[in-house]
Amino acid sequence: QSALTQPASVSGSPGQSITISCTGTSSDVGGYNYVSWYQQHPGKAPKLMIYEVSNRPSGVPDRFSGSKSGNTASLTISGLQAEDEADYYCSSYTSSSTLAVFGGGTKLTVL
Amino acid sequence: QVQLVQSGAEVKKPGASVKVSCKASGYTFTGYYMHWVRQAPGQGLEWMGRINPNSGGTNYAQKFQGRVTMTRDTSISTAYMELSRLRSDDTAVYYCARDFSLVGATTFDYWGQGTLVTVSS
Repeated sequence: QSALTQPASVSGSPGQSITISCTGTSSDVGGYNYVSWYQQHPGKAPKLMIYEVSNRPSGVPDRFSGSKSGNTASLTISGLQAEDEADYYCSSYTSSSTLAVFGGGTKLTVL
Repeated sequence: QVQLVQSGAEVKKPGASVKVSCKASGYTFTGYYMHWVRQAPGQGLEWMGRINPNSGGTNYAQKFQGRVTMTRDTSISTAYMELSRLRSDDTAVYYCARDFSLVGATTFDYWGQGTLVTVSS
């Protein structure tokens, strides 16, 4: 069982928007603005898409955005494209001795 | 450009140990924490621990305490992760990942290509 809770799957059509949620506790997501989102294509290493809740690294399209409310963080992808089909993982710093926790991952299908 | 290049795939028997290397280039190795994350087949990501390449200080996930050792060799900009007393459920792809946050906020901006470790009798 993962420390952070994500939906197992989401889907959308090209051009649409989708949102993936990531629910934790006050010891991780709710307590720190150190939530990150990663995209992983099959057989590849994860790629950082969002850091510190809502910041995009250089090169990440502005179709990707992040937010947080209480113990739940969200990743929104607008204007869905075929290449967005991948697994998405959230991660958070945590105050426990295990410094980082991940969500179980969400499989995004572009219909 | 920043690169993390990991050692090749390993096959080990239960009870054995494995040591995976991660050679960094393109940045100051001692300036950023290095983390290790694993992914079992068809499963999600799991944080294992981190090392401060400057001081050698480590933090390990409670799950791996006593079985994992992270070290580094600053002369060759390489981090290592050794996992002992291997079990079949340790079969996974092991990644090294750089933490770009200077405050150790566990934000992983660069990842190695992954090393598949297979534990089988």
